[in-house]
Amino acid sequence: AQSVAQPEDQVNVAEGNPLTVKCTYSVSGNPYLFWYVQYPNRGLQFLLKYITGDNLVKGSYGFEAEFNKSQTSFHLKKPSALVSDSALYFCAVRDGGGGNKLTFGTGTQLKVEL
Amino acid sequence: GAVVSQHPSRVICKSGTSVKIECRSLDFQATTMFWYRQFPKKSLMLMATSNEGSKATYEQGVEKDKFLINHASLTLSTLTVTSAHPEDSSFYICSALGQGGAVTQYFGPGTRLLVL
Repeated sequence: AQSVAQPEDQVNVAEGNPLTVKCTYSVSGNPYLFWYVQYPNRGLQFLLKYITGDNLVKGSYGFEAEFNKSQTSFHLKKPSALVSDSALYFCAVRDGGGGNKLTFGTGTQLKVEL
Repeated sequence: GAVVSQHPSRVICKSGTSVKIECRSLDFQATTMFWYRQFPKKSLMLMATSNEGSKATYEQGVEKDKFLINHASLTLSTLTVTSAHPEDSSFYICSALGQGGAVTQYFGPGTRLLVL
């Protein structure tokens, strides 16, 4: 079975400061990891993914994430937060060894304040 | 690229009626489409996986006779909520997975269903 944990329901950060949204995962095979963002009453927008290769993945809107195999983590980061980054962020995992179903975390609400 | 649309974006219906939601991949062909349900401030719950030309695979606890899924072409999947009841009110989101070993699911904008 595969699972994802997002330990923080909400993260608050001041605009211009760096942000981190945490994600840990569990999967039996090689993990395929994803970050999506959701704005109110909208679907999910794809930000970035890790499949293989460089542990630091760069994605849309200046976001990046670092894959850490030993800690089974895939934290989302951005060097300088914007108010417009305020949204609900989901981490997701699938087993690279088989199946294409995604398992999502419970989501982290990011609030960026002036 | 990788745009997925859903129609309608919002629907209100009376209890006992059926509602059909369409999910289209606009600029790519989707071998597989997924249907999710999302409750307020909650994560996404996978309802079913839909493969073009074959029967959908439903997750445990999801009634296949209530949530009918059809994936008639590589760009269209439909979800029909039959005999809807107020407890079916929710936000339904579809996603699409491209051909050729694609790994990224692209999501539609969602459909808000309210059953009175």
